[in-house]
Amino acid sequence: NAGVTQTPKFQVLKTGQSMTLQCAQDMNHEYMSWYRQDPGMGLRLIHYSVGAGITDQGEVPNGYNVSRSTTEDFPLRLLSAAPSQTSVYFCASKVTTSNYGYTFGSGTRLTVV
Amino acid sequence: DQQVKQNSPSLSVQEGRISILNCDYTNSMFDYFLWYKKYPAEGPTFLISISSIKDKNEDGRFTVFLNKSAKHLSLHIVPSQPGDSAVYFCAAGSNYKLTFGKGTLLTVNP
Repeated sequence: NAGVTQTPKFQVLKTGQSMTLQCAQDMNHEYMSWYRQDPGMGLRLIHYSVGAGITDQGEVPNGYNVSRSTTEDFPLRLLSAAPSQTSVYFCASKVTTSNYGYTFGSGTRLTVV
Repeated sequence: DQQVKQNSPSLSVQEGRISILNCDYTNSMFDYFLWYKKYPAEGPTFLISISSIKDKNEDGRFTVFLNKSAKHLSLHIVPSQPGDSAVYFCAAGSNYKLTFGKGTLLTVNP
């Protein structure tokens, strides 16, 4: 049971490039979400999804796109990377019937130069 | 505007003593609260939770207290162990959104 898997673990992008951060879970969780963590800050919610085909914005959605075509996967797309998007990105999932039980991935460290 | 605040960036305690980590919140609509532990280069790991209708929850060495009138919660770790050294995040939830504090770095000295 792998839990929540994020790829890649590290990435360096040039300003203006696009890329997709991958998140996959094998726990059949309906709810999935993306957070970013910046130095001296807590985790901030970017986007979340309560099931396939349903997504919504979190606290800091600008510059990011998401879609949810399957229960297992929730990719995060950066359309035109900016240095302000340098951060560590975490994906989390849980069953929607519980308020608790968020399981986090190990993170993707993204640097935009 | 921070809705969840952890005002102590760091805390140092001796092994075997109690560690008390504090968290304040401003939004009375939060209906559940969580504590997470995070080691460097790893994702946050769930520790303990409490519903807004309760004032205490225990799990082994970890106890969370909630004071709704003061909009304050605290995490007690007794006894503290060197392996507890990590960053601890307080998080508050409503609907499908979690709001995190900035974290407190706990160091437990042998």
